[in-house]
Amino acid sequence: AQSVTQLDSQVPVFEEAPVELRCNYSSSVSVYLFWYVQYPNQGLQLLLKYLSGSTLVKGINGFEAEFNKSQTSFHLRKPSVHISDTAEYFCAVSEAGGYQKVTFGTGTKLQVIP
Amino acid sequence: DVKVTQSSRYLVKRTGEKVFLECVQDMDHENMFWYRQDPGLGLRLIYFSYDVKMKEKGDIPEGYSVSREKKERFSLILESASTNQTSMYLCASSPLNRDEQYFGPGTRLTVT
Repeated sequence: AQSVTQLDSQVPVFEEAPVELRCNYSSSVSVYLFWYVQYPNQGLQLLLKYLSGSTLVKGINGFEAEFNKSQTSFHLRKPSVHISDTAEYFCAVSEAGGYQKVTFGTGTKLQVIP
Repeated sequence: DVKVTQSSRYLVKRTGEKVFLECVQDMDHENMFWYRQDPGLGLRLIYFSYDVKMKEKGDIPEGYSVSREKKERFSLILESASTNQTSMYLCASSPLNRDEQYFGPGTRLTVT
């Protein structure tokens, strides 16, 4: 069975500062990895995904994530955050070639401080 | 753009009532999912369906049932609502053999 751990439940950061949201996963097989964002009172929206190939994945809104197989991590980064990035971010994992069951982390609330 | 719509954004029901939450997607996706979202617990899968009239239990199916009579529509049913089912309910869909899910805006259900 797969699992996802987001150690930070909340991350405050000043506007224009860099941010890293941490995600670690556990699985006995190859995985696909995702980051979703949820703005207040909305559903989740896909930010980026890793399926195979380059370990550095670029997504929307200037976010990127790096897949590190040896550390079983998929941390999300942005070099300079904006107020509009204030949201909750979810890391998710699924088994590569599986039956589309995706396991989500518990989420990290990013609060951008003006 | 994929559009997933949910019948209500906010719903208030009484304990013991039968509750229907409706979800419709317009992209001909094979897979549909129901999750509940609670603070500190993230998203937990209730049920999913990979075809019309097919359903599979997720991680927390107790107290819920589902119906998928048409490809585009996936309904979540609370047979007898209880206060511990107060939560945000999210519907999602995905194409066959793709794990990328598209979410609706959510229904915030309060059971009093």
